[in-house]
Amino acid sequence: QKEVEQNSGPLSVPEGAIASLNCTYSDRGSQSFFWYRQYSGKSPELIMFIYSNGDKEDGRFTAQLNKASQYVSLLIRDSQPSDSATYLCAVTPYGGATNKLIFGTGTLLAVQP
Amino acid sequence: KAGVTQTPRYLIKTRGQQVTLSCSPISGHRSVSWYQQTPGQGLQFLFEYFSETQRNKGNFPGRFSGRQFSNSRSEMNVSTLELGDSALYLCASSLTGHNTEAFFGQGTRLTVV
Repeated sequence: QKEVEQNSGPLSVPEGAIASLNCTYSDRGSQSFFWYRQYSGKSPELIMFIYSNGDKEDGRFTAQLNKASQYVSLLIRDSQPSDSATYLCAVTPYGGATNKLIFGTGTLLAVQP
Repeated sequence: KAGVTQTPRYLIKTRGQQVTLSCSPISGHRSVSWYQQTPGQGLQFLFEYFSETQRNKGNFPGRFSGRQFSNSRSEMNVSTLELGDSALYLCASSLTGHNTEAFFGQGTRLTVV
């Protein structure tokens, strides 16, 4: 079992729709949870982070964390073609003071105009 | 505020050679982590430094090493290069010692021929 799992996609949504990206993790002690966006040929860009159960909203993005079920999701409202990218889920594992990140393989999102 | 700076951006090396990559974190950030990204394995953690000390190391051979200087700048070294070391090497900068957001540099694209 991989430590952080994501559906590789591609996830295709029409412009203006809600894109829902999901991620599960195996380490119940995972501490922090991050979503990165990576355009082809570019480096990952942090778009959301969440530490506590529940929802966190920032503009068109909402991160949801459910530690009991060990999943974290990212909702993108009013999806735009410019949102087309690979979305990487990352977690900080249990184990004291660290900024180490364990990444999923990413979900490719394609927003159709 | 300047972001994370990695140099060089591109490198071509021959098998058996060694290479040194450099990372300057965001001003005031004290934690630097290194990752390797390949199409087959995704983003994999190499090592993490905080206040000149290596705190965590990923599952990579001893040919991969790093260090952090008193000004938080970091270098990683790969000796006896192999074809499989061809990858995008990414440096991430974090403000504090744990569970804080990590911001990536543009990466160094290493090609081993």
